[in-house]
Amino acid sequence: NAGVTQTPKFQVLKTGQSMTLQCAQDMNHNSMYWYRQDPGMGLRLIYYSASEGTTDKGEVPNGYNVSRLNKREFSLRLESAAPSQTSVYFCASTPGGIPYNEQFFGPGTRLTVL
Amino acid sequence: QKEVEQNSGPLSVPEGAIASLNCTYSDRGSQSFFWYRQYSGKSPELIMFIYSNGDKEDGRFTAQLNKASQYVSLLIRDSQPSDSATYLCAVKSGNDYKLSFGAGTTVTVRA
Repeated sequence: NAGVTQTPKFQVLKTGQSMTLQCAQDMNHNSMYWYRQDPGMGLRLIYYSASEGTTDKGEVPNGYNVSRLNKREFSLRLESAAPSQTSVYFCASTPGGIPYNEQFFGPGTRLTVL
Repeated sequence: QKEVEQNSGPLSVPEGAIASLNCTYSDRGSQSFFWYRQYSGKSPELIMFIYSNGDKEDGRFTAQLNKASQYVSLLIRDSQPSDSATYLCAVKSGNDYKLSFGAGTTVTVRA
């Protein structure tokens, strides 16, 4: 049981390049989330998927797109990377349907945009 | 106004002392409250959650919730160097699928 996995762990992009961050969970969770974490800013929600087939914007969705490929996988795409997107990106999942349960986080992807 | 506020710290406490962390939130409809610990370079991990007014204890950790005053706190008793980390407060409103996170409080336990 690997929990939440993310690939890649590190990535350096040039301004204008595109890339997709991959996330998968093997806990049969319904809901999945993408966050970014910047120094002094805490975790900010980019997009989330409450259940397979649905996606919704979070607090900071501009410049990103997501795909809930199936129940296990939730990807985040940067179409044209900008230096402001330099951050640590975390994927998380939760069973859903229960109001108090926790979100489980992946190990993170450290992205630098030059 | 930020939804979830925490003192950024750093909070420095001697080994064996009590570390007290505070968190205030703006949405009166919030119903679930979480404390996550995050070591440097690692992902957040859940320490405790609380949803009823009062205290909830788990080992050396105690979460306290006061919905009327809109604050939640975390006490770490007998602090150990291994408790040195950033502690994130997170709040969930009703049946919302989303969590709102504070910026975190960095705790350093000095031996």
